[in-house]
Amino acid sequence: AQSVTQLDSHVSVSEGTPVLLRCNYSSSYSPSLFWYVQHPNKGLQLLLKYTSAATLVKGINGFEAEFKKSETSFHLTKPSAHMSDAAEYFCVVSSGTGGYNKLIFGAGTRLAVHP
Amino acid sequence: ETGVTQSPTHLIKTRGQQVTLRCSSQSGHNTVSWYQQALGQGPQFIFQYYREEENGRGNFPPRFSGLQFPNYSSELNVNALELDDSALYLCASSLTPGDGNEQFFGPGTRLTVL
Repeated sequence: AQSVTQLDSHVSVSEGTPVLLRCNYSSSYSPSLFWYVQHPNKGLQLLLKYTSAATLVKGINGFEAEFKKSETSFHLTKPSAHMSDAAEYFCVVSSGTGGYNKLIFGAGTRLAVHP
Repeated sequence: ETGVTQSPTHLIKTRGQQVTLRCSSQSGHNTVSWYQQALGQGPQFIFQYYREEENGRGNFPPRFSGLQFPNYSSELNVNALELDDSALYLCASSLTPGDGNEQFFGPGTRLTVL
């Protein structure tokens, strides 16, 4: 069965410093992985997705993630945090068995960005 | 292109009542999924509808039911509401049910059960 574990429930960074949000996955086959962001009182927005093409995936707003099969990881990074990046981030694996596609979410990482 | 919309935005019900939540999918999308997001947690998959049929279901009791209409809009119905049903309910649409397809989320309906 597929699952994801987000290793940090809260991450706090200063504006202009790098961001690292960690995610490990478990999957019995080559997974489709996503990162979604949720700003307060707003819906979930897709940041990026990995679907077995390039292992380094670039997303919106300067975010990127690297798929590492040997480490079963899919960490999200950004070189320089902006105040507007403060939000909840979810690592997600797609479970496509049985003819339907459900997304399995991690518990989320709350990113705080300080001036 | 109109995104995924949901109504109402907020709802307050009492225990034992029934509720219907509505979702309009993004133009051209024939697949709708529903998720429940309890406070402080990640969303959990309730079920998915494809071409007006339920084609997948998560670990939710039968009092959670749904419909999909010919225009691909969808409803989520919850009977015999319990306090633990208080959550943000998210609807997502996608082009097809295929693995790896992006799901586009609506803003959600916040349900409070008293």
